[in-house]
Amino acid sequence: DQQVKQNSPSLSVQEGRISILNCDYTNSMFDYFLWYKKYPAEGPTFLISISSIKDKNEDGRFTVFLNKSAKHLSLHIVPSQPGDSAVYFCAASASTNAGKSTFGDGTTLTVKP
Amino acid sequence: NAGVTQTPKFRILKIGQSMTLQCTQDMNHNYMYWYRQDPGMGLKLIYYSVGAGITDKGEVPNGYNVSRSTTEDFPLRLELAAPSQTSVYFCASGGINPKDQPQHFGDGTRLSIL
Repeated sequence: DQQVKQNSPSLSVQEGRISILNCDYTNSMFDYFLWYKKYPAEGPTFLISISSIKDKNEDGRFTVFLNKSAKHLSLHIVPSQPGDSAVYFCAASASTNAGKSTFGDGTTLTVKP
Repeated sequence: NAGVTQTPKFRILKIGQSMTLQCTQDMNHNYMYWYRQDPGMGLKLIYYSVGAGITDKGEVPNGYNVSRSTTEDFPLRLELAAPSQTSVYFCASGGINPKDQPQHFGDGTRLSIL
C-alpha cells in the first residue's frame, strides 16, 4: 500500500501562470513533509518543507500548503518559469523515525514559454 | 563542495555478475541511504544506515548488501545481478532531523543488467 501518492503523473502550464502539484498521504504518523525537484540525469534536490504544526510555508515563488485533516499537501509555484520544468517528488517522514522519508512517484511539470 | 559522490555513473552487467556501487559524502551526515528508481516510479528505499557500523533494510533489500565502515562511505553490493535490478540507483545522506538536514542526493548510477 503506497503511503504517499502523487496522483498526477504530469502537469503542463504556461509560463507566468500558477503550477499546483498535489500529494496525498495515508500514514497519520507522518508529521514532516518535503518537496524535492529532479532534473534529468541529476539527483533530486531539496526544495521546500513543512512541519505538521504549520499549514503553510513560503520560500520565494514556492509555497507549500498542508491540510492535515484531509492528509493532503500541495506545492504552488507562482509565477511558473521554464526552468521549473522538472520532476517533483513529495516525501513524508515521522518524528519517530525521522531519518527515513517515504517518497511519492513524482509529477513531471512542464512549463511552456 | 562535493556533497554526495556516486561512482560509476553508468554500468552494464551480465546476468549473474556482481559489482559494488560506491557512495561517499563529505557533509558529516549520520544517515545514509540507497534508493532505486524504476521508470515512471518514485524512489524505493533499499538500505539505510544511521551511522558507522549500523545498517538496516528498507522496502526492497533483496539482492543487495551494504556496509558502513566509515561515516563517509556507504557502498552497495549486488552479488548476482538479475534483469529486475536494472534501474537508476541514488545514494543520499542526511541528518537525524530532516528539518535541519534534509537528504542530499548523488547524481545516480544508471545500471543495466543484460
